Amino acid sequence: QKEVEQNSGPLSVPEGAIASLNCTYSDRGSQSFFWYRQYSGKSPELIMSIYSNGDKEDGRFTAQLNKASQYVSLLIRDSQPSDSATYLCAVKYQAGTALIFGKGTTLSVSS
Amino acid sequence: AAGVIQSPRHLIKEKRETATLKCYPIPRHDTVYWYQQGPGQDPQFLISFYEKMQSDKGSIPDRFSAQQFSDYHSELNMSSLELGDSALYFCASSPPGGRGDTDTQYFGPGTRLTVL
Repeated sequence: QKEVEQNSGPLSVPEGAIASLNCTYSDRGSQSFFWYRQYSGKSPELIMSIYSNGDKEDGRFTAQLNKASQYVSLLIRDSQPSDSATYLCAVKYQAGTALIFGKGTTLSVSS
Repeated sequence: AAGVIQSPRHLIKEKRETATLKCYPIPRHDTVYWYQQGPGQDPQFLISFYEKMQSDKGSIPDRFSAQQFSDYHSELNMSSLELGDSALYFCASSPPGGRGDTDTQYFGPGTRLTVL
């Protein structure tokens, strides 16, 4: 059974702070890792993909992958109220197959 | 940039009725995925198609069927609808290659299905 685990939150941070979201996965064969943001009633919006161990930065977002620990994280720097949403960690076991989602972490950024 | 198109955006049906959801992938994307997201739940994979052939199957009920057509659009057919089928249904597409950055799935806006 392939599983993806996230803390459901809510994670509350003040505006301008760093938000840290974490995700663990069960299947060592997983190859591709994604973070999506989802506003209530809307579709998942891709924030970042990561495939190799280490850090990947894109603007205010940094994804970190540690395959040995089966751990993926997302850091959001200078958090804004507009970042308030549910963040979904998704893992793909192999090419051409489905995404397995975690239950999502709800982030609340207060101004 | 063009995105995934889904229609209809909202659909209301009675129990035991049928419904057809349509998905038009991003141009030149050859793989289509269908997901179901119930209230407060994470998206659950239903089925996927690559080059008009079923490529993977998830938790799709036997009452549901899907196909991908020659123009790469896909339709999800749902019969004998039940109250529990009320959910958001997302279609996603990915470009050719399936490796590295080309295996990213881009989601459409979804169809909200309500079964009364």
